Amino acid sequence: ETGVTQTPRHLVMGMTNKKSLKCEQHLGHNAMYWYKQSAKKPLELMFVYSLEERVENNSVPSRFSPECPNSSHLFLHLHTLQPEDSALYLCASSQFRQGAPYEQYFGPGTRLTVT
Amino acid sequence: AQKITQTQPGMFVQEKEAVTLDCTYDTSDQSYGLFWYKQPSSGEMIFLIYQGSYDEQNATEGRYSLNFQKARKSANLVISASQLGDSAMYFCAMRASTGSARQLTFGSGTQLTVLP
Repeated sequence: ETGVTQTPRHLVMGMTNKKSLKCEQHLGHNAMYWYKQSAKKPLELMFVYSLEERVENNSVPSRFSPECPNSSHLFLHLHTLQPEDSALYLCASSQFRQGAPYEQYFGPGTRLTVT
Repeated sequence: AQKITQTQPGMFVQEKEAVTLDCTYDTSDQSYGLFWYKQPSSGEMIFLIYQGSYDEQNATEGRYSLNFQKARKSANLVISASQLGDSAMYFCAMRASTGSARQLTFGSGTQLTVLP
């Protein structure tokens, strides 16, 4: 596997279900991100994990819970979601270096539908 | 706060022609970075090109170039010799030096369609 992988690619879940999205990066990066992409809206940063910090977008509801057990893996735990949570969830990683661009590399995304 | 504006929801270009996708930004930071990403219908965001605020020359990567006009706060993407495979959504993004250094702010995107 190379780059950033995400599983599952598609997920349909009811509002009472609990599920988890998984992201794995094979690039040796030290920061990982979760983004939400809804139709007709800009990408919304949800969470950032790096060696030095965890950053959370305060507008993200508590029904989304991130977990980063190590620098290569990132999870997004979902529970009691709402239909408006249906979106494409993108994971990304980057390598933070002083003075460097540290562009983010994205996975293919998980298309989530909440019924 | 940082803001990215992409005023073209959709653009059409003839195959083999050049096209410019507009991006303006707003920041009070002196040091920042500007990025362009491509998102095909498959969903994956593909990094295309980067421009640093202190870079004196416009960035180029193959058929992609960034027309950086700092005084106007614009960072337009130019795609030369368009190909059918260039049809996708294109996002401009900015990383500022304040706040979390790892956060990117994205624009709303431009849907580019290359016509045969």
